[in-house]
Amino acid sequence: SAVISQKPSRDICQRGTSLTIQCQVDSQVTMMFWYRQQPGQSLTLIATANQGSEATYESGFVIDKFPISRPNLTFSTLTVSNMSPEDSSIYLCSVDGTATEAFFGQGTRLTVV
Amino acid sequence: ILNVEQSPQSLHVQEGDSTNFTCSFPSSNFYALHWYRWETAKSPEALFVMTLNGDEKKKGRISATLNTKEGYSYLYIKGSQPEDSATYLCARNYGGSQGNLIFGKGTKLSVKP
Repeated sequence: SAVISQKPSRDICQRGTSLTIQCQVDSQVTMMFWYRQQPGQSLTLIATANQGSEATYESGFVIDKFPISRPNLTFSTLTVSNMSPEDSSIYLCSVDGTATEAFFGQGTRLTVV
Repeated sequence: ILNVEQSPQSLHVQEGDSTNFTCSFPSSNFYALHWYRWETAKSPEALFVMTLNGDEKKKGRISATLNTKEGYSYLYIKGSQPEDSATYLCARNYGGSQGNLIFGKGTKLSVKP
C-alpha cells in the first residue's frame, strides 16, 4: 500500500488569492490524480499528473485555474488560483495502488471567503 | 458521462441494525466497481473492488454484491456499530487505471448508540 501525506489539511482563504496543496507519497508512482468534492456533489477528477509531462485535465478544468506540478515520482502540487467561494471544496490527491485499489491523501478542506 | 448514482443520500440507524445501500451505474463498457469508506478528516479507505458479474465480497460485517448486466451494486452492513458512521462511496473505472474513477455522491451513514 502507499502512504500519502497531503497538506494543508484545511485552510480559509480570501477570494482572489491562490492556495497550493502538496501531496507526498512514500513510494514512486507513475500517475497521481487530483480530485475535488464540492458541497453535496461527487468526488470529481480534476486532472492526472505524470512526471515529466504536462498534466491532463478533465473537461471543465483548465491549467490556468488549477496549475499542477509533478517534479518527481513521489510528489505533486495542485494550485487553486484566483479563488472564489465556488472553489470551496475538499481536494484529494490519489495514486494508483495495486491492481485492485487506489490510495488517497487525507484531503484539504478549503473555504474561500 | 458514465454517471454513478447512490441511494439513499443519508441514513440514520440504531446500533445493531442491519442496513444496505445501492449504487447504480451504466452497464456498458464495465471495468470495475469500487466501494470506499470515508470518515471526516481521513483518507477514503478502500473496502472492495469488484470486476465480475455476480461477485460477492465480504470484510467482517460488511459485504457487497455486483450485477454488471443490470448495472448495480449493493453494500450491506450487518449489526451496525457507531464506528461504522461514515460516508460510503462507490465508483467505477472508465479506463484501466485504478485511480481514474467516477464517483457517486455517497451515502452518509450515522449509527446511534
